[in-house]
Amino acid sequence: EAGVTQFPSHSVIEKGQTVTLRCDPISGHDNLYWYRRVMGKEIKFLLHFVKESKQDESGMPNNRFLAERTGGTYSTLKVQPAELEDSGVYFCASSQGGPRQETQYFGPGTRLLVL
Amino acid sequence: GNSVTQMEGPVTLSEEAFLTINCTYTATGYPSLFWYVQYPGEGLQLLLKATKADDKGSNKGFEATYRKETTSFHLEKGSVQVSDSAVYFCALRGSTLGRLYFGRGTQLTVWP
Repeated sequence: EAGVTQFPSHSVIEKGQTVTLRCDPISGHDNLYWYRRVMGKEIKFLLHFVKESKQDESGMPNNRFLAERTGGTYSTLKVQPAELEDSGVYFCASSQGGPRQETQYFGPGTRLLVL
Repeated sequence: GNSVTQMEGPVTLSEEAFLTINCTYTATGYPSLFWYVQYPGEGLQLLLKATKADDKGSNKGFEATYRKETTSFHLEKGSVQVSDSAVYFCALRGSTLGRLYFGRGTQLTVWP
């Protein structure tokens, strides 16, 4: 069974540009999460989808970040316009069943560098 | 609110040494506790978990016990190997929402 995949693995962009990150969860997983780790700091929650609905987006830093999950399958996270402080590693995770009970499986992350 | 405080790294050990990585937490209600590991070039993998007080999670020789009285979930291994070199993250999941709260991560390097 394929794990969580993320694309691209790395992205280097200039300040003010737009970047779109993609996450493909494990097939059949209703729950999809986005997290971010800024260099040397803790991994922070961004948002949580249940199927195509946003269950919790309290971690989204500002309105430059837009997440979608059309059809309840893959998800995209768009940053527009990107700022220097957006640099970091963006992780996606998925889980099945009730969110409290199930393990979250993580993807390898997308390393974003904004210059 | 919920938060995790994790021992700062990096930690450097010789092979077969004893490992402890400290983790303490603050939480409302009854959280579940996790240790995740990130090997070089890979994503986060669940190492072990405990869902209630006094539970002990274990996997691959690693152990951690959920201590409610000290709000701790320290990771231990009796004899580390070079292949254990990785970044270790302590995390909790609160009582109501699925989101995880992570510590800052501890880089472990094991030398032969």
